[in-house]
Amino acid sequence: DAMVIQNPRYQVTQFGKPVTLSCSQTLNHNVMYWYQQKSSQAPKLLFHYYDKDFNNEADTPDNFQSRRPNTSFCFLDIRSPGLGDAAMYLCATSIQTVSSYNEQFFGPGTRLTVL
Amino acid sequence: AQTVTQSQPEMSVQEAETVTLSCTYDTSESDYYLFWYKQPPSRQMILVIRQEAYKQQNATENRFSVNFQKAAKSFSLKISDSQLGDAAMYFCAYRRTRSNDMRFGAGTRLTVKP
Repeated sequence: DAMVIQNPRYQVTQFGKPVTLSCSQTLNHNVMYWYQQKSSQAPKLLFHYYDKDFNNEADTPDNFQSRRPNTSFCFLDIRSPGLGDAAMYLCATSIQTVSSYNEQFFGPGTRLTVL
Repeated sequence: AQTVTQSQPEMSVQEAETVTLSCTYDTSESDYYLFWYKQPPSRQMILVIRQEAYKQQNATENRFSVNFQKAAKSFSLKISDSQLGDAAMYFCAYRRTRSNDMRFGAGTRLTVKP
């Protein structure tokens, strides 16, 4: 089945130790997103890629970076995780065409714990 | 800036009964999309239903329907014949037309009692 895959599902890191979260998709969608979702809160968009074009949200901290080496993969890098970065990180994908912006498909998320 | 408000942090419903989840939003746009997403415990978020603002007719997907009141900026979700599998966090979301930027409400946790 076509899907959005996130690895790992659970990640534990130490305060200040760089960590990378991974997302892959078999949907061949041209847009990929990273959201941060803290406990009992709404998902918050960090950034997204439209093909290779990177779109950063204005309030996303510099501590968060992303890479998209090809259509299928997108990575979230947290350079120096703080305790406040503990959250569920959701990856999503969608298709954008000249005439339409379509629904987003979500992965299961990676729960990040910072010790 | 667009904001989405879900005023019910938690709701519960008896199995087979009907429940309505509320959502209001604030925007100066005239053309946009509204969505309800379901996030079951430890599982991925899935789209339940979507509504285009230019359509007057309320969207319906099987047991799920919406009451879209554009002037009041209200977008409620009605779940009929509730099932145990409907238990989840439900998020209302807004997206401008021709934008990838989707804004979510804080969510409503729905419990279904057998």
